[in-house]
Amino acid sequence: GQQVMQIPQYQHVQEGEDFTTYCNSSTTLSNIQWYKQRPGGHPVFLIQLVKSGEVKKQKRLTFQFGEAKKNSSLHITATQTTDVGTYFCPTPNDMRFGAGTRLTVKP
Amino acid sequence: DTAVSQTPKYLVTQMGNDKSIKCEQNLGHDTMYWYKQDSKKFLKIMFSYNNKELIINETVPNRFSPKSPDKAHLNLHINSLELGDSAVYFCASSQGTAGNEQFFGPGTRLTVL
Repeated sequence: GQQVMQIPQYQHVQEGEDFTTYCNSSTTLSNIQWYKQRPGGHPVFLIQLVKSGEVKKQKRLTFQFGEAKKNSSLHITATQTTDVGTYFCPTPNDMRFGAGTRLTVKP
Repeated sequence: DTAVSQTPKYLVTQMGNDKSIKCEQNLGHDTMYWYKQDSKKFLKIMFSYNNKELIINETVPNRFSPKSPDKAHLNLHINSLELGDSAVYFCASSQGTAGNEQFFGPGTRLTVL
């Protein structure tokens, strides 16, 4: 089945630093979704990207979908402690979430 | 109003027992899912039902049996519980099949002793 690799698996940053996580696929994706799971919580939908080269922003979060629709990134500017959690980009056809990227932020 | 609810929130049981987790969604969605998240946060899909029909059935031991009495409910029954079944189980729902936004329940933390 379709596979999306997400890197890095872990990222620890100082509050105020930027953070980026990447999702890469060997095949073209119909779309890409991003979810965030806070510690002790459940995954929550953040956004869906559909178009080639699409860029969407949510406050300090910037989501990009590659031109070839094979990769995507989530960039957080000036991280805050509220950004702590695990970020997932599941495969669109069968919703395989994997391990995601776990972000920790040092105040 | 809770969109996707699960009961119980916590479940502690002995090896070999049989237990069930219930899930209900009031969003009018036609697709529901069960996920398992291990201690390393790996979130793995187990089952997916669309209009009460099984559409995704990952490699899961047949001790796990989902049951969907109607579109709003998807229950998970586990027979002969093993230590390795300890995890957090999430129910989710979406409108339509994969590719649409999923709404997750709060999770059920299962501990097998």
